[in-house]
Amino acid sequence: GQQLNQSPQSMFIQEGEDVSMNCTSSSIFNTWLWYKQEPGEGPVLLIALYKAGELTSNGRLTAQFGITRKDSFLNISASIPSDVGIYFCAGQWKGNTPLVFGKGTRLSVIA
Amino acid sequence: NAGVMQNPRHLVRRRGQEARLRCSPMKGHSHVYWYRQLPEEGLKFMVYLQKENIIDESGMPKERFSAEFPKEGPSILRIQQVVRGDSAAYFCASSPTDTIYFGEGSWLTVV
Repeated sequence: GQQLNQSPQSMFIQEGEDVSMNCTSSSIFNTWLWYKQEPGEGPVLLIALYKAGELTSNGRLTAQFGITRKDSFLNISASIPSDVGIYFCAGQWKGNTPLVFGKGTRLSVIA
Repeated sequence: NAGVMQNPRHLVRRRGQEARLRCSPMKGHSHVYWYRQLPEEGLKFMVYLQKENIIDESGMPKERFSAEFPKEGPSILRIQQVVRGDSAAYFCASSPTDTIYFGEGSWLTVV
């Protein structure tokens, strides 16, 4: 089935550094979502983007919906140890249609 | 996230047995999705249901897997005659109209 290309696959960063990850698709989505998953838990919604070009923040997290509607990025500023986890992007064609997920970016933060 | 309730959280089955996974959506949500996550992978869509109706089952294996969302009670994902390859985390998600919220997952291990 369709899958998004998410990069990088993994990152090791020092506490306090900024992080950037992105997601691309060969097809258009009308909604982009970013989730975080910790071991043994379900994905938790971080940011939802509904309009091309939209830039949305949630605390230290900022995400943008690409103007072509085929990509999105997530930035985390001033990383802290609790940012550790797997970050997934997901695209949705329209409401009440299934999400298509990337394979995730595994983030490790070194204190 | 905590509003979508899944049980059991962990289930061990021998090959050939049946597995039943339950999902109670968040209050007021009439749309339920089931996703499967293999180790080190993103989430893959299986089936989308509304009350008493299967809307999209394009991600569901044709054999041994079935899903329902009855008028009363939780949604059930049923896997008959489980095989080792069915070992995975199964996530339920619900939505009112667009934004999708995930449960904490059910981890199935087939021995």
